[in-house]
Amino acid sequence: GAVVSQHPSRVICKSGTSVKIECRSLDFQATTMFWYRQFPKKSLMLMATSNEGSKATYEQGVEKDKFLINHASLTLSTLTVTSAHPEDSSFYICSATGPRNTGELFFGEGSRLTVL
Amino acid sequence: QQQVKQSPQSLIVQKGGISIINCAYENTAFDYFPWYQQFPGKGPALLIAIRPDVSEKKEGRFTISFNKSAKQFSLHIMDSQPGDSATYFCAASPISGSRLTFGEGTQLTVNP
Repeated sequence: GAVVSQHPSRVICKSGTSVKIECRSLDFQATTMFWYRQFPKKSLMLMATSNEGSKATYEQGVEKDKFLINHASLTLSTLTVTSAHPEDSSFYICSATGPRNTGELFFGEGSRLTVL
Repeated sequence: QQQVKQSPQSLIVQKGGISIINCAYENTAFDYFPWYQQFPGKGPALLIAIRPDVSEKKEGRFTISFNKSAKQFSLHIMDSQPGDSATYFCAASPISGSRLTFGEGTQLTVNP
């Protein structure tokens, strides 16, 4: 199956700093990637849809200036949490539409962000 | 209309038993219904998926039953094993794309 890689898997940062999380499709091209956020013992909440070469589409209630998404190539999307605060601590997961565009999504391993 | 409701929230099953998780949806535009398995600290992994043109799909010990008229679908795990202990999410996406809406999740524990 298609592989989606996320990096870093864990990151700890101080309040006020910015953190970048990368999401790569390793063996296929992904024109669309999705970013989710998951709190402990909760479901995945869609934050935004990232389309290669265009601006991301954010879900209602998600601050686009705080969560910057860039999809500069067909294999890479990045999520930058700007001016991070403790309430931004969460598990961030990306996914990409599989190569056959069947609706199947492949998920990365997730990135655990802890803001001190 | 975009919600997918999942039950139960948690489930405890003995080894060898059958685990059953149920989901219901409202949006008739949903066309793809996957189930994901997630272990702590990991991303979700696709288990099995179904489209509305069939009522059942089986892959190994995992079976999806789909009732289009009732807008419900369920996951059955036969011969449940301790290694199946994880959180299971149902999801749905519309015809036009792959933007998934997830259920709330079910924490499954299979006792040895």
